[in-house]
Amino acid sequence: SAVISQKPSRDICQRGTSLTIQCQVDSQVTMMFWYRQQPGQSLTLIATANQGSEATYESGFVIDKFPISRPNLTFSTLTVSNMSPEDSSIYLCSVGTGVLGGYTFGSGTRLTVV
Amino acid sequence: GNSVTQMEGPVTLSEEAFLTINCTYTATGYPSLFWYVQYPGEGLQLLLKATKADDKGSNKGFEATYRKETTSFHLEKGSVQVSDSAVYFCALTSINSGNTPLVFGKGTRLSVIA
Repeated sequence: SAVISQKPSRDICQRGTSLTIQCQVDSQVTMMFWYRQQPGQSLTLIATANQGSEATYESGFVIDKFPISRPNLTFSTLTVSNMSPEDSSIYLCSVGTGVLGGYTFGSGTRLTVV
Repeated sequence: GNSVTQMEGPVTLSEEAFLTINCTYTATGYPSLFWYVQYPGEGLQLLLKATKADDKGSNKGFEATYRKETTSFHLEKGSVQVSDSAVYFCALTSINSGNTPLVFGKGTRLSVIA
């Protein structure tokens, strides 16, 4: 199955600043998925990133706040913009591993906004 | 839309006890079903999956059977260990091509005491 390298693993940021999270996959994949996991909560899908087109955002998430880039089939970034303490969460990227396969997740970025 | 409902935790068991974590789902068509595990401070790992009705997924002593008639995918283990302490997430995707994201349940925290 695919292996994802996600970084940074954690960061502490000042409110009002932005953080860019990177995910590198060891194989080419069509879609990459970005999730948020708030403290003690489940995973919520932020957006789906397809190479060569704009990401598709879920209800409650907007491009200005969470811009995503997908420059090729192995890489994607998620930026958390103009951060506030409410953005403190774990952010994860994920890819599917093919038809009837599983889904692999990055190790996550634990973000704390102060 | 698709959704997953898990039994609420936390669940606390003694070592060697029998574990059941209930999971039911709502989905169109023939979804693929998954259990993921998140150990303390770690990322998400695929525990097991099932892609069609009556399939049984198994791994590390855990089992779950895809029951279409009851729309369920309950996780079981005959004898839990302290090392099984983690959060368990039930998830589904309606089209398992790798290009459709997972929908997660809220997670169930399991604590196993010696």
